[in-house]
Amino acid sequence: EAAVTQSPRSKVAVTGGKVTLSCHQTNNHDYMYWYRQDTGHGLRLIHYSYVADSTEKGDIPDGYKASRPSQENFSLILELASLSQTAVYFCASSGLGYEQYFGPGTRLTVL
Amino acid sequence: GQQVQQSPTSLVLQEGENAELQCNFSTSLNSMQWFYQRPGGSLVSVFYNPSGTKQSGRLTSTTVIKERRSSLHISSSQITDSGTYLCAPTSSGQKLVFGQGTILKVYL
Repeated sequence: EAAVTQSPRSKVAVTGGKVTLSCHQTNNHDYMYWYRQDTGHGLRLIHYSYVADSTEKGDIPDGYKASRPSQENFSLILELASLSQTAVYFCASSGLGYEQYFGPGTRLTVL
Repeated sequence: GQQVQQSPTSLVLQEGENAELQCNFSTSLNSMQWFYQRPGGSLVSVFYNPSGTKQSGRLTSTTVIKERRSSLHISSSQITDSGTYLCAPTSSGQKLVFGQGTILKVYL
């Protein structure tokens, strides 16, 4: 059974629209992360969280918000989607160690 | 911040040949993780190896902290090994910094 799940798996959004990507983990991990993957830029950290109701900025947080309402759930919110946010988004979780476990990814296309 | 360089960028092998993938990082680290990714697929952790040598089947990972490098050795490559291999050290807190990856293509 997959321990990190993401929804939706793919989405087409319009420029200026609001997009919410969801992540759910059953690993009982405290840490959760959102990354984006682009050709030419590799994987980059957007936001992360180490406890419910708290989020931290990663390396590329501009244009994104995050929400961690519970230990299991972590959302990434694009309030005003832009063309440059077309990418594949991955959620991950980790426990007290540093090993991270990734979800299947969400392919977002902004038109 | 942490800078990560992977080499080679791409590698083409005939089935049965061995592969050596390198990962160099700029600062000290708390952990090193290697991932495998198929085109359009997710990241699958193949090794979590902060230091020393670990082996899993045909894969061997060696991390030498003092020399700021890690390697992934694939012996007797198979077609199913084709994909991208990413290294990701952690130096600050829990945050991974990814290399650009090595694209491996194995043919018959």
